[in-house]
Amino acid sequence: GAGVSQSPSNKVTEKGKDVELRCDPISGHTALYWYRQSLGQGLEFLIYFQGNSAPDKSGLPSDRFSAERTGGSVSTLTIQRTQQEDSAVYLCASSLEVTRGRPQPQHFGDGTRLSIL
Amino acid sequence: QKEVEQNSGPLSVPEGAIASLNCTYSDRVSQSFFWYRQYSGKSPELIMSIYSNGDKEDGRFTAQLNKASQYVSLLIRDSQPSDSATYLCAVTTRQGNLIFGKGTKLSVKP
Repeated sequence: GAGVSQSPSNKVTEKGKDVELRCDPISGHTALYWYRQSLGQGLEFLIYFQGNSAPDKSGLPSDRFSAERTGGSVSTLTIQRTQQEDSAVYLCASSLEVTRGRPQPQHFGDGTRLSIL
Repeated sequence: QKEVEQNSGPLSVPEGAIASLNCTYSDRVSQSFFWYRQYSGKSPELIMSIYSNGDKEDGRFTAQLNKASQYVSLLIRDSQPSDSATYLCAVTTRQGNLIFGKGTKLSVKP
């Protein structure tokens, strides 16, 4: 079946502009995650959705970052007034429902490479 | 601060050898552990999951978990040049998301 789909695959924009990144999870996956990976660095957790609610927003780096998910499916990550340090690959992952007994493996999309000029 | 620690490498092994990748974690509550492989310029790909103490084998890969020591490892037998990648260790939090280590870069020399 189809994997996690992210769009756009690449985005170049000027400093100060707003950007919106989209993630379409694997069908049937209720949990959705956003991560950021800067060049040569590890994965930085941003936010996690279980259905439409976000139990953990602790990773959002500033109030310029926000994310929403509607209908328990597609999610958008919005970065307002972009800065050069926002340049990174933004990765989305999805998994089956998270339960106390057994967190599920996450499957990643190909990411959006964001470059702020 | 919950952390996952990995040696950044690079770890260089000859083709056909066993590659051993190690990871330690700080949160004793963690229940699930994953190894991801990430080729340069690509997204992480799940290769192993382990939930109980002991060994779990899948083909050339063996994951080992010791919750008492808060240690998880990945062994790759008969290493191939195509195994050259960065290997990420990931550990679940109470909220259900993952914390990733910074990864170990493995290079398998022909």
